[in-house]
Amino acid sequence: QKEVEQDPGPLSVPEGAIVSLNCTYSNSAFQYFMWYRQYSRKGPELLMYTYSSGNKEDGRFTAQVDKSSKYISLFIRDSQPSDSATYLCALSLNDYKLSFGAGTTVTVRA
Amino acid sequence: SAVISQKPSRDICQRGTSLTIQCQVDSQVTMMFWYRQQPGQSLTLIATANQGSEATYESGFVIDKFPISRPNLTFSTLTVSNMSPEDSSIYLCSVVGGIQETQYFGPGTRLLVL
Repeated sequence: QKEVEQDPGPLSVPEGAIVSLNCTYSNSAFQYFMWYRQYSRKGPELLMYTYSSGNKEDGRFTAQVDKSSKYISLFIRDSQPSDSATYLCALSLNDYKLSFGAGTTVTVRA
Repeated sequence: SAVISQKPSRDICQRGTSLTIQCQVDSQVTMMFWYRQQPGQSLTLIATANQGSEATYESGFVIDKFPISRPNLTFSTLTVSNMSPEDSSIYLCSVVGGIQETQYFGPGTRLLVL
């Protein structure tokens, strides 16, 4: 069993739709939870970072963490074609080493 | 956030040869890491690059295959030694920085081994 499970998709949505992404994990010791966006042929770009259960909002992006269920989510509201990318969840203990999900490829259709 | 550059951006190499990848950061950082992203897969941590001492390798990665140097707080190199086609991947360096001490990635080096 992988430490971090993420449905690789692909996921295709019309412009303006809400995109819902999620990851589950097995190690309850994970303390830090991140979402990265990776465009084709680019390095991952940090989108959201949180270290507690609950919701965190930044513009059109909302990250949710449920430590009791070992489940994290990312929601993208009013999705745009420019949101088309691969989204990676990443988790870490207290040592900065990241464990990544497989990544979900999202396409937003104009 | 830190600005990270990598050289080369891509390369095509013959099996049995070695390639050294450079990672340069525009500010001093304490933590630097090297990751591998194999085709169609997610990122896997190779090692932590320690300034002034030997790198710390993750399970499945060894120094003879992936020697790492970190002579100062802004620069590191990763060498992929005695390459085989299975080493074809994107290699990325990352650093920890910013107020929240989050992790930022370089653009990656795309390696194809024939």
